[in-house]
Amino acid sequence: IAGITQAPTSQILAAGRRMTLRCTQDMRHNAMYWYRQDLGLGLRLIHYSNTAGTTGKGEVPDGYSVSRANTDDFPLTLASAVPSQTSVYFCASSPGTSGEQYFGPGTRLTVT
Amino acid sequence: AQSVTQLGSHVSVSEGALVLLRCNYSSSVPPYLFWYVQYPNQGLQLLLKYTTGATLVKGINGFEAEFKKSETSFHLTKPSAHMSDAAEYFCAVSESGGGADGLTFGKGTHLIIQP
Repeated sequence: IAGITQAPTSQILAAGRRMTLRCTQDMRHNAMYWYRQDLGLGLRLIHYSNTAGTTGKGEVPDGYSVSRANTDDFPLTLASAVPSQTSVYFCASSPGTSGEQYFGPGTRLTVT
Repeated sequence: AQSVTQLGSHVSVSEGALVLLRCNYSSSVPPYLFWYVQYPNQGLQLLLKYTTGATLVKGINGFEAEFKKSETSFHLTKPSAHMSDAAEYFCAVSESGGGADGLTFGKGTHLIIQP
């Protein structure tokens, strides 16, 4: 059982380019999340989805979009990347019973 | 709105000494509280959680935390530090219980173990 997989592991992206970060879980969890981690700021919620077909905005949603077509996949898209989006991105999922979340290994994104 | 404050961005202890990482939270409803650990270049791993019931919660790797409502605290402790405990530790809070709206994290505490 893989848990949560993220792709790519790392990416260098030119500013203005479009990028989709992929996230897949095999635990059949209803809820999924995207966070960004920046030094000294901890993790901040970008977007979330409580169930397939629904999404919501977190603390820092600007410049990002998500979709949830099915239970397993929750891609994060940067429509036009900017250098301030340089960060490590973590996908997480939760069964939704008592709040604990399970995290993927992360994607390190550098926007130049 | 919920928030988490972790006191001390870096904590250094000697191997075998007590580990104490401090976490205070703000929540308008009874909170769900979590401690996560992150080893270098890895994702976050759940150490322990408090939902309801017993206020002293035991987790993996010998860690435990105590929920103190009167102090709005959820400090993480371990009686005897091991070199393998060196990592980044995050305290997090959820008001929605089912995690519907995500977790709010503290900024993290980097635990350094001195030999």
